[in-house]
Amino acid sequence: EAQVTQNPRYLITVTGKKLTVTCSQNMNHEYMSWYRQDPGLGLRQIYYSMNVEVTDKGDVPEGYKVSRKEKRNFPLILESPSPNQTSLYFCASSQSGRRYYEQYFGPGTRLTVT
Amino acid sequence: DAKTTQPTSMDCAEGRAANLPCNHSTISGNEYVYWYRQIHSQGPQYIIHGLKNNETNEMASLIITEDRKSSTLILPHATLRDTAVYYCIVTLSGGSYIPTFGRGTSLIVHP
Repeated sequence: EAQVTQNPRYLITVTGKKLTVTCSQNMNHEYMSWYRQDPGLGLRQIYYSMNVEVTDKGDVPEGYKVSRKEKRNFPLILESPSPNQTSLYFCASSQSGRRYYEQYFGPGTRLTVT
Repeated sequence: DAKTTQPTSMDCAEGRAANLPCNHSTISGNEYVYWYRQIHSQGPQYIIHGLKNNETNEMASLIITEDRKSSTLILPHATLRDTAVYYCIVTLSGGSYIPTFGRGTSLIVHP
């Protein structure tokens, strides 16, 4: 089954404790991205990657890091989480080119930073 | 990307057609119209997209006006599971890699 998986689905952590949210897709998609969703602000893109070893900033990259060492995986790293990073996070993937906007989203990771 | 305007909320009776409008009066000639939906706290789901012609797939139909300044997503026989926020996005296909999801339309399908 074609899918995007994220782990963990729920995470409560404390300020400053480094964490990684994993994202994996099994569709051989070139393009992957991370979004956060906050009430009243909609979905905002954090980082995206057009292929292995190619990443770039989205609209709200501050406080986040990403890496793309393998095509299927695109982890999101919070080196020193802060309470304003409490949010619902989604990973997405798609083919490159004309089908770029036919994105497949993961189930989401709800992060709480206290 | 062209800006879109959608109603904040709509409701529809189960079994009836749900028609969700989207205005995109500043759309340029090579921009596509994409529709997504998001069921509460789940990841958004791609529905359909089009450039000029009307499009239909197993989920919905997309009607784009001749001047391309507006479009309508049609769910022909809405069910309770279609209750979701529906997003209309106008953008170049394969162009900017930062799609903008606006506030969308909250559709409530009632029995």
